[in-house]
Amino acid sequence: KAGVTQTPRYLIKTRGQQVTLSCSPISGHRSVSWYQQTPGQGLQFLFEYFSETQRNKGNFPGRFSGRQFSNSRSEMNVSTLELGDSALYLCASRIQGDNYGYTFGSGTRLTVV
Amino acid sequence: QQPVQSPQAVILREGEDAVINCSSSKALYSVHWYRQKHGEAPVFLMILLKGGEQKGHEKISASFKKKKQQSSLYLTASQLSYSGTYFCGTENNYGQNFVFGPGTRLSVLP
Repeated sequence: KAGVTQTPRYLIKTRGQQVTLSCSPISGHRSVSWYQQTPGQGLQFLFEYFSETQRNKGNFPGRFSGRQFSNSRSEMNVSTLELGDSALYLCASRIQGDNYGYTFGSGTRLTVV
Repeated sequence: QQPVQSPQAVILREGEDAVINCSSSKALYSVHWYRQKHGEAPVFLMILLKGGEQKGHEKISASFKKKKQQSSLYLTASQLSYSGTYFCGTENNYGQNFVFGPGTRLSVLP
């Protein structure tokens, strides 16, 4: 069974550009969440999608957006990149039901220069 | 609201036990525990539900206490492979407001 797949693994972008990150959840998982991880801030919640609908949203500016497709794949977009957006972006999927935790992808390392 | 974790860091010798705490200002529906090794993604360890159920590993267990606002993760007879940062994640209702704590860095020395 394939795990959560994130692409690309590494990205270098210039300040002011925009970027799109992709996440393919485990087959059957309809919930997809996105997190930003930086050394000093831990795991910061960006948003969660379930069945193509944004179910929860963290405290990030509107430059951060996402969407989920009918096959549960999700994309995250960051516009007008800032140096502070440099981070590891993690995607996690979860199967419906109480007893299950999140399975994380390996992440996309974004560097803004 | 982000849960509070304690301690921030702990250093153990192989074979020693450790306890990591996670607390919230509100009663919780569930508490998740994850371990992240350096350069890797977090890995799910176990989940606690308000009904008292827990799913975990052989030498790792957890409990809910104090009106379901606090959870503790117990690591028994620590192994070198236990080193990493442990995060608790909490939600007030299923699928709502899931948030991670700041993490506890655990180092197990030989």
